[in-house]
Amino acid sequence: KQEVTQIPAALSVPEGENLVLNCSFTDSAIYNLQWFRQDPGKGLTSLLLIQSSQREQTSGRLNASLDKSSGRSTLYIAASQPGDSATYLCAARNYQLIWGAGTKLIIKP
Amino acid sequence: ETGVTQSPTHLIKTRGQQVTLRCSSQSGHNTVSWYQQALGQGPQFIFQYYREEENGRGNFPPRFSGLQFPNYSSELNVNALELDDSALYLCASSFDRNGEQYFGPGTRLTVT
Repeated sequence: KQEVTQIPAALSVPEGENLVLNCSFTDSAIYNLQWFRQDPGKGLTSLLLIQSSQREQTSGRLNASLDKSSGRSTLYIAASQPGDSATYLCAARNYQLIWGAGTKLIIKP
Repeated sequence: ETGVTQSPTHLIKTRGQQVTLRCSSQSGHNTVSWYQQALGQGPQFIFQYYREEENGRGNFPPRFSGLQFPNYSSELNVNALELDDSALYLCASSFDRNGEQYFGPGTRLTVT
């Protein structure tokens, strides 16, 4: 049974810092892994999707990596801004999306 | 291109009642997945519909049921509401069963 864990649960950093959010999964037989952003009380915005055959994906200041053998994915955010404050969730797809509980990120001006 | 829409935005129901939530998929998408997200937790998969057929179900009781229409929009029905059903209900559409999912804004259901 797939389990997805995100560490840390919360993170607060000053504006401008580069940061890494972690996601681990127990079953490496995944189709893909997706990173999402969720603002308070809102729906989910897809940030990056990495197919199982890929090692990383980049979009602007965001870079996500995938290491299936170790069951890990990281989301790297460069030059963080206050507008990046949100909860970031990762989800691993086997036959369905299995989600972590998220990392609540606060960027201090 | 119209994104995924959900209705209603908010809903308050009483324990024991029934509720229907609606989702319109993004243009060109034939798959809709439904999730329940309790406060402070990640979403939990309820079920997925692909071309009007159920294509997988999570660990939810039969009182959670769904439907997908020929235009690929979808409904989630919950009977005999319980207090623990209070949550944000999210739907997502995708081009196929394993494709990237695009989420709607969610329906906030409160059961009193």
